[in-house]
Amino acid sequence: GQQVMQIPQYQHVQEGEDFTTYCNSSTTLSNIQWYKQRPGGHPVFLIQLVKSGEVKKQKRLTFQFGEAKKNSSLHITATQTTDVGTYFCAGSTLEYGNKLVFGAGTILRVKS
Amino acid sequence: NAGVTQTPKFRILKIGQSMTLQCTQDMNHNYMYWYRQDPGMGLKLIYYSVGAGITDKGEVPNGYNVSRSTTEDFPLRLELAAPSQTSVYFCASSHDGTGELFFGEGSRLTVL
Repeated sequence: GQQVMQIPQYQHVQEGEDFTTYCNSSTTLSNIQWYKQRPGGHPVFLIQLVKSGEVKKQKRLTFQFGEAKKNSSLHITATQTTDVGTYFCAGSTLEYGNKLVFGAGTILRVKS
Repeated sequence: NAGVTQTPKFRILKIGQSMTLQCTQDMNHNYMYWYRQDPGMGLKLIYYSVGAGITDKGEVPNGYNVSRSTTEDFPLRLELAAPSQTSVYFCASSHDGTGELFFGEGSRLTVL
C-alpha cells in the first residue's frame, strides 16, 4: 500500500537556528499537504502542494514539492519558540482514492 | 461556526465495554474521516465517508464501526474495547476530499 516516510523523527534546535523536515513517498503523489500539531492539540493545516517542483512560502516557512512528486520538504528559517510542535506531511494518490496517508511526523523542540 | 466538534474529550473504558465517539461538523462538508494517533506513528485512517449514507474502511478498521445518517454527524463505535484501542482519536472533515482537512480537538481513550 501507499507509504509516506518522514525524517527526522525528532529535532531539538536552538532558537534562531533553521529546521528542515523531509517527506518521501513510495509512489507518485497527486498532492501533498503539511500540518502542524502543537503539544496536546490537534493537527492544523498549513499548506497544500500539487505541482511538480512547486515552492511555496509562508513567512519563515518554505515548502517544496519534488520534481517527481515523490518527496517534499518543509524548511523553517530562524526558528522561534512558537514553532514548537509536530509537523506532519500527508500525501494522496488517485490510485488510493485520494485518501491522505500521513507520515509519522517530526517533533520540533526549540531551546531559547 | 464551531467547525468540527468531538465528544467526549477523555474516556476510560474497561476491556470489553463499548462506546461511541461523537463527531459533528457545521461546515456542510461531504467528506468526513476518523483517524487514530499513536505516539510516533502519525495518523492512521480508520473509516471515512464521502456523504450521508456512504462509508468505507480505511487502513485500520478492525474493532470499529461507523454510520453516516446525516451530513453533519459521523459517530465512531467501538465494540468490545481492547487495550490496543487506547489512543487519541481525531475526527476530520473536508469540502471535496482532496483539500484541507479540518480536525476536531480529539478524544483521548484509555482501555484498561
